[in-house]
Amino acid sequence: DSGVTQTPKHLITATGQRVTLRCSPRSGDLSVYWYQQSLDQGLQFLIHYYNGEERAKGNILERFSAQQFPDLHSELNLSSLELGDSALYFCASSVGQGLQGAEAFFGQGTRLTVV
Amino acid sequence: GNSVTQMEGPVTLSEEAFLTINCTYTATGYPSLFWYVQYPGEGLQLLLKATKADDKGSNKGFEATYRKETTSFHLEKGSVQVSDSAVYFCALSAQNYGGSQGNLIFGKGTKLSVKP
Repeated sequence: DSGVTQTPKHLITATGQRVTLRCSPRSGDLSVYWYQQSLDQGLQFLIHYYNGEERAKGNILERFSAQQFPDLHSELNLSSLELGDSALYFCASSVGQGLQGAEAFFGQGTRLTVV
Repeated sequence: GNSVTQMEGPVTLSEEAFLTINCTYTATGYPSLFWYVQYPGEGLQLLLKATKADDKGSNKGFEATYRKETTSFHLEKGSVQVSDSAVYFCALSAQNYGGSQGNLIFGKGTKLSVKP
């Protein structure tokens, strides 16, 4: 158990809909990272928050947004969903402001299926 | 930009065979290098890491050496077990990527199956 909790584990929704994925980091970790894992693109970095502030953006679509709350949990909002958004979404956390030399702790992921 | 290339799988080995999974990288500066492992139905776990040139990371019988001259970080294990069956990801974290103090950039993963 990594200590990172993601909910829900599975989500099935229709095209055009909006969903929210939730992540609770390990106790004491201030950074939260979101990744998308798909068969064709592999693991793609989406966004990084540190102590409530956005620190870096990767390949995140404009239809997607995220935030980190004062209690340090994070939510990833996906809107106007398309079939191609079907993927496994991982959240990871770390103690410091980045992963240069540091370990990231991953949750078990949320599998999103858009039908 | 920064990138990681690792050998395509799947790789199928018999128990006690020698394992090598190749990984090369492109990065500016001096990245940290990692191997993460993903067991079926689970998230990724750190297997080993190296933070500077010539460092050797090791864990659970796996080893990888940070080779700056060849920009490589190949994963090796002398004798694999059935329980090593998983997907292995090579990754790097480069300084000041995208404004943060390092983020993980992954290779596409190599699926390893070990047969008894």
